[in-house]
Amino acid sequence: DTEVTQTPKHLVMGMTNKKSLKCEQHMGHRAMYWYKQKAKKPPELMFVYSYEKLSINESVPSRFSPECPNSSLLNLHLHALQPEDSALYLCASSRTGAPDTQYFGPGTRLTVL
Amino acid sequence: KQEVTQIPAALSVPEGENLVLNCSFTDSAIYNLQWFRQDPGKGLTSLLLIQSSQREQTSGRLNASLDKSSGRSTLYIAASQPGDSATYLCAVPNTGGFKTIFGAGTRLFVKA
Repeated sequence: DTEVTQTPKHLVMGMTNKKSLKCEQHMGHRAMYWYKQKAKKPPELMFVYSYEKLSINESVPSRFSPECPNSSLLNLHLHALQPEDSALYLCASSRTGAPDTQYFGPGTRLTVL
Repeated sequence: KQEVTQIPAALSVPEGENLVLNCSFTDSAIYNLQWFRQDPGKGLTSLLLIQSSQREQTSGRLNASLDKSSGRSTLYIAASQPGDSATYLCAVPNTGGFKTIFGAGTRLFVKA
């Protein structure tokens, strides 16, 4: 099984809402990533978890809060987002760190009104 | 600082053509290079990963080559099909880290 799943597929939220994105993999990978992708741009790294510990935070605003409850699950908690945060949010995993092949999920299309 | 550039930014070809997508990187001390495909509004699909010790990798109609010394990789697509229409991204890991540096991608359109 080389699948990374993400839920929900689409999310529309207001600027005062609190919501969460979920990512799951069952490949035994120990590194998981959150990326943000705007239209016609490459993915931008947000966070990296390695062995359930946050190893990279690319200076992401605190309104994005990642969580890695276990080695298979990665969440991204959203609060007080801005319209410019509307984007495709991609989750990825790899066996260990970035040099390994990264497997991407289908993404969550987020719209902030 | 590693930078990845992809040329051309967009490409439109008739079905059946063989084509080459180019990727260049500024720091030749890479661990590997990965090519991805992305359909509009979808996630990324890994196509090929070339280790630094390898010169090329093949998968079906796809062939990726790597020349570390010149900082270049090419993705060759043989006998293109309309289903190949997508954005193709190349990516390398940064030196010593977990971060992956992506090129801006080449948007390919194959006309039937």
